Amino acid sequence: AQSVAQPEDQVNVAEGNPLTVKCTYSVSGNPYLFWYVQYPNRGLQFLLKYITGDNLVKGSYGFEAEFNKSQTSFHLKKPSALVSDSALYFCAVRANTGNQFYFGTGTSLTVIP
Amino acid sequence: DGGITQSPKYLFRKEGQNVTLSCEQNLNHDAMYWYRQDPGQGLRLIYYSQIVNDFQKGDIAEGYSVSREKKESFPLTVTSAQKNPTAFYLCASSRTGPQNTGELFFGEGSRLTVL
Repeated sequence: AQSVAQPEDQVNVAEGNPLTVKCTYSVSGNPYLFWYVQYPNRGLQFLLKYITGDNLVKGSYGFEAEFNKSQTSFHLKKPSALVSDSALYFCAVRANTGNQFYFGTGTSLTVIP
Repeated sequence: DGGITQSPKYLFRKEGQNVTLSCEQNLNHDAMYWYRQDPGQGLRLIYYSQIVNDFQKGDIAEGYSVSREKKESFPLTVTSAQKNPTAFYLCASSRTGPQNTGELFFGEGSRLTVL
């Protein structure tokens, strides 16, 4: 069965410090991996995706993510957090066959001024 | 600009009433999806459609119905059979096909509250 796990419901980080939001997955075949951000009462906004190639993917707003096949992980990172990064972050996976997406339960990031 | 439009943004319903949430996209995407979001539970798939006049149940289809008469439109009806309909509903779309590596595009959501 396909699944995505975000082990931390809440992550707090001081402004200016690096941040990491964790994601692990279980999917058959080669996965397509995605990160989304959601602000209160808004839809999800696409941040970045891994399809193939370089394991380090760069995305919007200075975010990046590292694909680790052996650990089946796709952690989201940013070198220096901003207060405006405070939001809900979702990891998602899709098998390279089919069109169904599977989402983690989300991680609430709070950046403390 | 291309995108997905959901309406209404906020909706209040009395128990026993059916309500229909609208979702329209101008991205020329074949696939469309409805998700339900509850606090702490992430996104759960209600229905999805990969082509006009065809749709499949997701993980929590009971108490919901959809139609896909046009490529651009995928309305969701929350029926009185849905026991706990208060939630945030998200519509999304994506490309399809064997070369598709694309992400989901989301609307701004509709918040339904049952009084």
